[in-house]
Amino acid sequence: GQNIDQPTEMTATEGAIVQINCTYQTSGFNGLFWYQQHAGEAPTFLSYNVLDGLEEKGRFSSFLSRSKGYSYLLLKELQMKDSASYLCASTDSNYQLIWGAGTKLIIKP
Amino acid sequence: DAGITQSPRYKITETGRQVTLMCHQTWSHSYMFWYRQDLGHGLRLIYYSAAADITDKGEVPDGYVVSRSKTENFPLTLESATRSQTSVYFCASSEGDRVYNEQFFGPGTRLTVL
Repeated sequence: GQNIDQPTEMTATEGAIVQINCTYQTSGFNGLFWYQQHAGEAPTFLSYNVLDGLEEKGRFSSFLSRSKGYSYLLLKELQMKDSASYLCASTDSNYQLIWGAGTKLIIKP
Repeated sequence: DAGITQSPRYKITETGRQVTLMCHQTWSHSYMFWYRQDLGHGLRLIYYSAAADITDKGEVPDGYVVSRSKTENFPLTLESATRSQTSVYFCASSEGDRVYNEQFFGPGTRLTVL
């Protein structure tokens, strides 16, 4: 079957670094997305990885290992505004996105 | 307003009633999507559309109907609402001819079925 797994909740300290992991099993993989969703708001795009390796975009980086079915989102220099849910989504052979349930990140001062 | 909008933002209805959720985008994106989001679940695709007059089922289409007569509009209808359809509904759009592009989401409609 198709499955996306990510931790339900994580806590980190302002100014620190946090890594949010995502493992996936999808039938026709063509890339992995990360979205950010603040409480009560719509998801917004963070990154898309289709090749193995790390892609850096400011304080946020995303890593993909296709052979391991694994990705992570790395957030550096955490700010209070980074408190949000982070959604991992994988593409499948039906040209649809399969979404994880999201990881709620709590930032403490 | 530019972007993607949804209406209503909040809706309370009763079991058995027909409800239509509206979605409008101003970018002329070819692809449009309807998702529902429930606690403990990821976003689940209800229906999507690749272009005007082309729609297809997603993961959870039962109890829903869509149409797309114009590129910019993609309404979702619950023909006979049930309590299990209480959820937050998001409409999204993406440009280009591939579904792998970034999706832009509307603000969502919070629907309660009593």
